Amino acid sequence: KNQVEQSPQSLIILEGKNCTLQCNYTVSPFSNLRWYKQDTGRGPVSLTIMTFSENTKSNGRYTATLDADTKQSSLHITASQLSDSASYICVVTPGGGAGSYQLTFGKGTKLSVIP
Amino acid sequence: GAGVSQSPRYKVAKRGQDVALRCDPISGHVSLFWYQQALGQGPEFLTYFQNEAQLDKSGLPSDRFFAERPEGSVSTLKIQRTQQEDSAVYLCASSLAPLVGGGTGELFFGEGSRLTVL
Repeated sequence: KNQVEQSPQSLIILEGKNCTLQCNYTVSPFSNLRWYKQDTGRGPVSLTIMTFSENTKSNGRYTATLDADTKQSSLHITASQLSDSASYICVVTPGGGAGSYQLTFGKGTKLSVIP
Repeated sequence: GAGVSQSPRYKVAKRGQDVALRCDPISGHVSLFWYQQALGQGPEFLTYFQNEAQLDKSGLPSDRFFAERPEGSVSTLKIQRTQQEDSAVYLCASSLAPLVGGGTGELFFGEGSRLTVL
């Protein structure tokens, strides 16, 4: 069964500090990996989408990395802000034909940024 | 509208009642998904529409769940005879193009409908 595992489950950091969230997946074949930010009570919002040929992609203070060989991804947040407090969800799209729209979601990492 | 709109945002139902959740996708978006998100969990796939065709309903938990998108735009998720285990946030998402073949199209989510079954 395709799985996406995220760590840590939750994280508390001081405002201004950096942090890195991890994502390991077993989805195969693999097409792309997405990171979403989900504020409490809101729908997920896309941060990055990476295909297997991309190693790094940045979106402002967010930088995602992907190692398709080891099936690992990370999301690095630089100079955290209070507004970064949210759940960060790793999502993997399978490759191939039928069923390739069935994205597999991780459970998310709940990040709390405190002053 | 500018984004995916879902209604109602909050619904409280007594066990056994029927509920209907509505999703207005972004205009022109071909793909529409329904997901169920339990507290502290990631979204779980329920069903996928490409225009008006329901291509996959394998994620629907039981035959009490029914989804439709008759004109290829607005979609409704109906839950009959609600049970307590149906309590969750139901998320709708749309994408401009089909996501088959591992597409990289952007997926836009609504704010969700939070269902509480008493």
